[in-house]
Amino acid sequence: QKEVEQDPGPLSVPEGAIVSLNCTYSNSAFQYFMWYRQYSRKGPELLMYTYSSGNKEDGRFTAQVDKSSKYISLFIRDSQPSDSATYLCAMSGNNNDMRFGAGTRLTVKP
Amino acid sequence: GAGVSQSPRYKVAKRGQDVALRCDPISGHVSLFWYQQALGQGPEFLTYFQNEAQLDKSGLPSDRFFAERPEGSVSTLKIQRTQQEDSAVYLCASSLPPSGVIEQFFGPGTRLTVL
Repeated sequence: QKEVEQDPGPLSVPEGAIVSLNCTYSNSAFQYFMWYRQYSRKGPELLMYTYSSGNKEDGRFTAQVDKSSKYISLFIRDSQPSDSATYLCAMSGNNNDMRFGAGTRLTVKP
Repeated sequence: GAGVSQSPRYKVAKRGQDVALRCDPISGHVSLFWYQQALGQGPEFLTYFQNEAQLDKSGLPSDRFFAERPEGSVSTLKIQRTQQEDSAVYLCASSLPPSGVIEQFFGPGTRLTVL
């Protein structure tokens, strides 16, 4: 079993839909929870992060972390075609040892 | 300023050949990471440098993989006697500590195909 599990999708939604992306993990030492976005043939870029449990909102994006359940989520409101990409969850402890999920490929159709 | 650059962008090698992949990190970034990303998978950690010191190489899959960063800036990932299972995108990332636990800046990757 991998340390970080993420449903690879693919996920296809109409423009304007609410998107929910999720990851589970097994390592209790993880304290930083990130969502990276990766466009085709590009490197991943940090979208947002959360430290420990809680919610964080940034525009149309909301990240949630539930450490008791070892479950993290990313919600995208009013999804746009430009949101079409692969979304990678990532986690780390106090060192630089970052672990990524497999990525969920999202397509938002106009 | 320029981001992380990697060269070559694409590399085709015959099985058994040696390859060298180059990474130019963002100027001033102390930390440098190498990842391997197989098709349809997330990046898998290979190795980590802080300046010229290789602090973690636990992710290197075999002794055919070797990385160096002799002057604390440019890094090279070398794969000897390439095998088909080495086919993947190799990503390099850099950061300033301690933010490397959160934000790493990635290059576009080198897509290696071993025939």
